[in-house]
Amino acid sequence: EVQLVESGGGLVQPGGSLRLSCAASGFTVSSNYMSWVRQAPGKGLEWVSVIYSGGSTYYADSVKGRFTISRHNSKNTLYLQMNSLRAEDTAVYYCARWGRIAAAGSWGFDYWGQGTLVTVSS
Amino acid sequence: EIVLTQSPGTLSLSPGERATLSCRASQSVSSSYLAWYQQKPGQAPRLLIYGASSRATGIPDRFSGSGSGTDFTLTISRLEPEDFAVYYCQQYGSSPVFTFGPGTKVDIK
Repeated sequence: EVQLVESGGGLVQPGGSLRLSCAASGFTVSSNYMSWVRQAPGKGLEWVSVIYSGGSTYYADSVKGRFTISRHNSKNTLYLQMNSLRAEDTAVYYCARWGRIAAAGSWGFDYWGQGTLVTVSS
Repeated sequence: EIVLTQSPGTLSLSPGERATLSCRASQSVSSSYLAWYQQKPGQAPRLLIYGASSRATGIPDRFSGSGSGTDFTLTISRLEPEDFAVYYCQQYGSSPVFTFGPGTKVDIK
């Protein structure tokens, strides 16, 4: 059974740092495209970052230079290092797998974690 | 930069009615990379439709997707009580790498 479990959220002061983890089971993180998606309270979904199976990484402009996505292959875990946090980074952070669902090459975020809440406030 | 616009923002309907949700892209999007998600309060999003028109595993056939290019539609043929939720379209491809629409809330009339 595929499962994604996030951890590491909490309350942090503006300018502070936090590292989120996403432990995967049922598939291999390093063989897949893995993303972080966040949702501010009462707002919509916002893509944050992706790491491709080959190791390339991409970020939303809103977090570029402050957040770093990475993975630990032997732990089958995805990470998001968040530095220089701002109030507007307050959100539930989800990890999700961007998977190829059909042989024809159609894709989607097919598995999601339950999310972890990050609150940036003094 | 591709922007996704969803309409309407809120759709108020009764159980048994048909729901038609629109997603419009500012530039052409590959159908292979257009997906729809359902999100209920306090829950993670769930994949409904991938490749613009294919239902994900376990999704009832009352959900259908269509469209191409810049105009995509999610249709719920007969609303069940469990279908009242927020629906997001999403694309992959151009910078930014992934984009979500702002969502359409389907609530009970």
